[in-house]
Amino acid sequence: NAGVTQTPKFRILKIGQSMTLQCTQDMNHNYMYWYRQDPGMGLKLIYYSVGAGITDKGEVPNGYNVSRSTTEDFPLRLELAAPSQTSVYFCASEGGSGKLFFGSGTQLSVL
Amino acid sequence: DQQVKQNSPSLSVQEGRISILNCDYTNSMFDYFLWYKKYPAEGPTFLISISSIKDKNEDGRFTVFLNKSAKHLSLHIVPSQPGDSAVYFCAATAGANSKLTFGKGITLSVRP
Repeated sequence: NAGVTQTPKFRILKIGQSMTLQCTQDMNHNYMYWYRQDPGMGLKLIYYSVGAGITDKGEVPNGYNVSRSTTEDFPLRLELAAPSQTSVYFCASEGGSGKLFFGSGTQLSVL
Repeated sequence: DQQVKQNSPSLSVQEGRISILNCDYTNSMFDYFLWYKKYPAEGPTFLISISSIKDKNEDGRFTVFLNKSAKHLSLHIVPSQPGDSAVYFCAATAGANSKLTFGKGITLSVRP
């Protein structure tokens, strides 16, 4: 029973590098989300998707990009990484009524 | 402007006693509230929710109370257990197509 799977768990990037955070869910959920959590802060919504081919910006989308070619996959792309993007990133899918299923997170450091 | 506020960053409780975690909100359009629990190095997991048409929802040791006039909700854990030690996030949403707004979280420590 995999649920939401995120990879990698940890990553260190140099300033200006790019990377893709992978997210896959096996619950056939239409809604998927990317959040970031900074120390002592709540979860901030980066991007979300309501179904394959449909994505939209959240609260803090700058510096990120997403795609949703299938129901299962929702990768998050960081272009030109900056120290301000050092954070823990969580992918989630929604089972309805705001009940989100989260992946285990990716801890990203940009140095 | 923070619409969901968890003003106490931490709470320490003795095992067996009651834990009360508080949450305040400012947006009167919020009509559904959820609590999530997060252990270190894991993603948050859904714990309990309440609709604005109710003032109480109970699930085992966990009860959430909603006071709409005060824009306040609280999570009660009775009795508290060491395994309840985690970060608890309060979240709210305003309607079916609205996205969740999360508080900053409160770290609960249950002492054996």
